[in-house]
Amino acid sequence: DAKTTQPPSMDCAEGRAANLPCNHSTISGNEYVYWYRQIHSQGPQYIIHGLKNNETNEMASLIITEDRKSSTLILPHATLRDTAVYYCIVRVLLLSGKLIFGQGTELSVKP
Amino acid sequence: DTEVTQTPKHLVMGMTNKKSLKCEQHMGHRAMYWYKQKAKKPPELMFVYSYEKLSINESVPSRFSPECPNSSLLNLHLHALQPEDSALYLCASSQVNRPKSSYEQYFGPGTRLTVT
Repeated sequence: DAKTTQPPSMDCAEGRAANLPCNHSTISGNEYVYWYRQIHSQGPQYIIHGLKNNETNEMASLIITEDRKSSTLILPHATLRDTAVYYCIVRVLLLSGKLIFGQGTELSVKP
Repeated sequence: DTEVTQTPKHLVMGMTNKKSLKCEQHMGHRAMYWYKQKAKKPPELMFVYSYEKLSINESVPSRFSPECPNSSLLNLHLHALQPEDSALYLCASSQVNRPKSSYEQYFGPGTRLTVT
C-alpha cells in the first residue's frame, strides 16, 4: 500500500471549514483513498473514501487531484466534536484488506 | 446495528497471568481484525480473520493467540505478556467479497491493557 504524508497538526475555528491535506504521490491506479478519524479514547471511525472522483457524504467531502497524487478532506462546518486525529490511508480494495495507518493529522477545533 | 463491542474496557494483568479479550459484531461481517495502539501512535494491525480463518498474522509474538469461534466473535488470548505490551487493543470488522461495498472497517472502543 502507498505511503501517505499528512501535516502533524492543524487548528480550525469552530463553524469554519477544515481542510485536511494528504499527499500520496506513489499511489497506484487501483488504490483508493480512505479517511478515518479517531476521537480521543475511542476507536477509529470511517469518514469517506474515493478512487478518482470527488466524493461527498453527510460527514465530509473528499477532493482528489486529477493526477491522484494528493487529496483534501473537507469538514464544511467544523464543530468542537470534530477535534480528533485524522488518518489518510491508501489501499487496494482487497477481499479482506488491512489498513496501514500513518501518523495522521491532529485537528483541534477551537471556539 | 453498526456496533462493535469489546470487553473488558480495561484490564490489568501480571506477566504470569492468562487473560482474554473479546470482540463481537452482529453486522454480518466476515472479516475481523485486531489492532494494537500504543499511546500517541497510530493503530498497528496484528491479525486478520476472513470467513473465520486466520488470513494475516503481522509477525505477532506467540504470547498473543487469536481465535475466531464463529462469524460474530473474535477473541485474543493473552499469556506471559511483557510490560511493553501495555496498549489499547482495538477490534474491527468489515464486509468481505461484497461487490460495490466500500469495505470500511468498523472499530470497537478498544480494551486498554496494562501489564504489570
